[in-house]
Amino acid sequence: GQNIDQPTEMTATEGAIVQINCTYQTSGFNGLFWYQQHAGEAPTFLSYNVLDGLEEKGRFSSFLSRSKGYSYLLLKELQMKDSASYLCAVSATYSGAGSYQLTFGKGTKLSVIP
Amino acid sequence: DSGVTQTPKHLITATGQRVTLRCSPRSGDLSVYWYQQSLDQGLQFLIQYYNGEERAKGNILERFSAQQFPDLHSELNLSSLELGDSALYFCASSVEWDRQNTEAFFGQGTRLTVV
Repeated sequence: GQNIDQPTEMTATEGAIVQINCTYQTSGFNGLFWYQQHAGEAPTFLSYNVLDGLEEKGRFSSFLSRSKGYSYLLLKELQMKDSASYLCAVSATYSGAGSYQLTFGKGTKLSVIP
Repeated sequence: DSGVTQTPKHLITATGQRVTLRCSPRSGDLSVYWYQQSLDQGLQFLIQYYNGEERAKGNILERFSAQQFPDLHSELNLSSLELGDSALYFCASSVEWDRQNTEAFFGQGTRLTVV
């Protein structure tokens, strides 16, 4: 089975930097995704990490440590539109079928305040 | 717009009834995934199909079933509905099922309310 933990809620100020952490325990790990989901809408892809280290994409960066089962999403220069849930998702080999299954954490609801 | 189409957007039905949710994947995507998202839960993986065949099964109840048709659209059938089945049901699609970095594109979801 898989266990993915991330904080339930966070609040940050417009223009600031916020780090959303995710820890996971899984077998057959094959990568970690971050998705953004606005209330009532579909999740949208933000980033993918499979090797240790930092991946930077504009205002968003994602870090992975496979040995520690840890990842974080870093959001810089926060904007009001960044208020959303951020979902950590682990890709792992699904035993017996040879496919990769994506399992999501419960998400971190980020509120950006003026 | 992700290119994944789900219908209907909203559905209200009574307990004990049966409903069918429909998903059309992005053009060219062969793999379809179904997820359930309840109010205080994360996205729960239900089932995955690839080119018409079931590839992976998650926490899908026996009252639920799905299939993928030759034209690659998929349907999720929910029967003997209970109040607890009220949730957002998302469909996602991807090009392949056997690559570790396969990005899944999500539809806008079907909000099911069981009364």
